[in-house]
Amino acid sequence: QKEVEQNSGPLSVPEGAIASLNCTYSDRGSQSFFWYRQYSGKSPELIMFIYSNGDKEDGRFTAQLNKASQYVSLLIRDSQPSDSATYLCAVWNSNYKLTFGKGTLLTVNP
Amino acid sequence: NAGVTQTPKFQVLKTGQSMTLQCAQDMNHNSMYWYRQDPGMGLRLIYYSASEGTTDKGEVPNGYNVSRLNKREFSLRLESAAPSQTSVYFCASEFGGAEETQYFGPGTRLLVL
Repeated sequence: QKEVEQNSGPLSVPEGAIASLNCTYSDRGSQSFFWYRQYSGKSPELIMFIYSNGDKEDGRFTAQLNKASQYVSLLIRDSQPSDSATYLCAVWNSNYKLTFGKGTLLTVNP
Repeated sequence: NAGVTQTPKFQVLKTGQSMTLQCAQDMNHNSMYWYRQDPGMGLRLIYYSASEGTTDKGEVPNGYNVSRLNKREFSLRLESAAPSQTSVYFCASEFGGAEETQYFGPGTRLLVL
């Protein structure tokens, strides 16, 4: 069973702070990693994807990947109340299945 | 360009009733997926269709059937609904090939009494 693990939270940060969301995966052969945001009662929407080790930045969001440690993270700078949502980590496994973590609930307090 | 659409948005069934959830995409994607999402369980794959004319089981296929009607449409059928099938169902699609991004529909909330 290919596992994707996330801390369920809730993770609570003050407005303007950096939120750090973490994800580990079990399949060492995984090559593609995605972060989705899901507001309550809505469907998941893609925030970022990352394929290579290191950092990838898009606006206030930075994805970090360390394949040796089987670890992927999402940093949200200058967190806003509108960032309050559940963040899903998803990993394409070596058997070509996309596996989702259970998500981390982020709350940004004004 | 509507993306991925799903009908109905919400449905209440009695145990033993049947229904079909509809999904359509207008992005010319090859692959389509059905997931269910339950509290504390995350998204679990029910069935998928890698291309028109093919379907395969995912992690939790029991109690469901699917039809890939054409490239645009992928339906999910519950032949005899059970309370354990109360969930939120999401359809997703992707272009297909090498580990592409999946795009999700708005979901169908199903309550089985």
